[in-house]
Amino acid sequence: EDQVTQSPEALRLQEGESSSLNCSYTVSGLRGLFWYRQDPGKGPEFLFTLYSAGEEKEKERLKATLTKKESFLHITAPKPEDSATYLCAVQVRTRGGADGLTFGKGTHLIIQP
Amino acid sequence: EADIYQTPRYLVIGTGKKITLECSQTMGHDKMYWYQQDPGMELHLIHYSYGVNSTEKGDLSSESTVSRIRTEHFPLTLESARPSHTSQYLCASSEYGGLTEAFFGQGTRLTVV
Repeated sequence: EDQVTQSPEALRLQEGESSSLNCSYTVSGLRGLFWYRQDPGKGPEFLFTLYSAGEEKEKERLKATLTKKESFLHITAPKPEDSATYLCAVQVRTRGGADGLTFGKGTHLIIQP
Repeated sequence: EADIYQTPRYLVIGTGKKITLECSQTMGHDKMYWYQQDPGMELHLIHYSYGVNSTEKGDLSSESTVSRIRTEHFPLTLESARPSHTSQYLCASSEYGGLTEAFFGQGTRLTVV
């Protein structure tokens, strides 16, 4: 069974304190790994897609990396506006051939001023 | 910014009522999806569509039904709402072909009393 596990469940940082969020996955045939940001009461907002081990992508203070078993979302010198829940998802083939996403539970990140 | 819209944003309804959650996108995407998300839990795929007149059930069993008569419109219907249907419902769309990110709507938070 395909599984996506995110850690930690919650993380509280001071403004400017860098850290990393982890996403480990067990899937049969990874097609792609996605990172989303979700603010309270809103739908997920796309951040990155990673396709193969060794790939890295950056956007402002965020950098996503991928290995064969896990992905990291590094956040450098975060600001309070980076506070959100960060979701990791993998694209696999579900029954019937769908390519919907399998999500982790997310990491709830709070950046204190 | 993604052009995918869900209405209503919030809905409180009595047990036994029939409800339809609306989802529309203006991006011309062929693929559309419905996800269900309980508080603090993962998003789970409940329905998907690859185009007009194409609908399939996702990984999570759901008593809801969907239709896809027009490319831009993917409504979800519950014939008889029950308290167990209380959840957040998120609609998403993506381009057809290849590995492309999904764009999400703001969600409908449904409460059945």
